[in-house]
Amino acid sequence: DAMVIQNPRYQVTQFGKPVTLSCSQTLNHNVMYWYQQKSSQAPKLLFHYYDKDFNNEADTPDNFQSRRPNTSFCFLDIRSPGLGDAAMYLCATSRAGQGAREQYFGPGTRLTVT
Amino acid sequence: SQKIEQNSEALNIQEGKTATLTCNYTNYSPAYLQWYRQDPGRGPVFLLLIRENEKEKRKERLKVTFDTTLKQSLFHITASQPADSATYLCALDYTGGGNKLTFGTGTQLKVEL
Repeated sequence: DAMVIQNPRYQVTQFGKPVTLSCSQTLNHNVMYWYQQKSSQAPKLLFHYYDKDFNNEADTPDNFQSRRPNTSFCFLDIRSPGLGDAAMYLCATSRAGQGAREQYFGPGTRLTVT
Repeated sequence: SQKIEQNSEALNIQEGKTATLTCNYTNYSPAYLQWYRQDPGRGPVFLLLIRENEKEKRKERLKVTFDTTLKQSLFHITASQPADSATYLCALDYTGGGNKLTFGTGTQLKVEL
């Protein structure tokens, strides 16, 4: 089945220690998104790629960066995680084009910062 | 800035009844509005999409309405079942191209036997 895969499902890192979360998709969608979701809060868009074009949200901290080496893979890098970065990180994809497109989400990576 | 309001209190209903969830927004209306289901510890799953010029959309036991005058969408689940228990998120698409969504915080639904 076509899907969005996130690894690892659970990640523990130390305060200030760089961490990378990964996402891959078999849907061949050209748009990929990274969201941060804290408990009982709305998913918050960090950035998205439209093909190779990177689109950063204005309020996304510089501490968060992303790479998309090819259509299938996208990475979220947190350069110096703080305690406030502990959250669920969701990767999503969609087909771009005219009209609305639903987004397909992965299962998420739960990040703990100690 | 745009605000999306969903009832933060959990909605508890009895099996077989109709659940109605509300999504209110401020300022200008989105081109599209989407509803997602999210189970604990999982990513959201797309359910329904409605366009600003549509009043109502149905899919099996689900129905969505969109009132741009009231700036409100209602999400109905008829003949609810315990398996419908989850958090339901509304998401607004202002771009018209479907590339960016703004999510609400969601409403937790609990369907009891």
